[in-house]
Amino acid sequence: GESVGLHLPTLSVQEGDNSIINCAYSNSASDYFIWYKQESGKGPQFIIDIRSNMDKRQGQRVTVLLNKTVKHLSLQIAATQPGDSAVYFCAERTGGSYIPTFGRGTSLIVHP
Amino acid sequence: NAGVTQTPKFRVLKTGQSMTLLCAQDMNHEYMYWYRQDPGMGLRLIHYSVGEGTTAKGEVPDGYNVSRLKKQNFLLGLESAAPSQTSVYFCASSPLEPEGRYEQYFGPGTRLTVT
Repeated sequence: GESVGLHLPTLSVQEGDNSIINCAYSNSASDYFIWYKQESGKGPQFIIDIRSNMDKRQGQRVTVLLNKTVKHLSLQIAATQPGDSAVYFCAERTGGSYIPTFGRGTSLIVHP
Repeated sequence: NAGVTQTPKFRVLKTGQSMTLLCAQDMNHEYMYWYRQDPGMGLRLIHYSVGEGTTAKGEVPDGYNVSRLKKQNFLLGLESAAPSQTSVYFCASSPLEPEGRYEQYFGPGTRLTVT
């Protein structure tokens, strides 16, 4: 079946570096994508979203890039801080569905 | 505004016991969901509800039942717990899509161990 997956299960970076977390999806009908952050012991929290009619969207220190040709999206975090250490999930949704499909998650570890 | 709350936070059950997990949201959201999260795995949808009095099966519904008698509450029941149901359970809610944004609000989770 269709699925959303992540390339790297763990990413280690130094404080101050930029981080890039990747996500591949296989459902060509997916039209909406969301990134969530899950800190240890907490529920996931919305970070940023992007629709399929866009290829880039920026938030505070975060940027999401969408490449529909290769069915790939990425989350870029600028000037990574220790507080960014968490598991990051991408999720995708197809039009008309209320139910997103979550990827497995990438653990981001920020070293001071 | 408490958001999404879950009760209890932790629970240990013996195989065959039953229990109910309670989820409450005070944001007047239409949609509510129950997920389970296992180590190294993403979130898997158990059941969901698109409104008061309605429920539907998700990806992994076997062994669970749900009810949504009130809009603000979504209950998840385990009739006869099994060790395979040891997991962290998350409840979430979402509104109809204001301004085209689809966002789920998650509770803090319930850690369930079945021995």
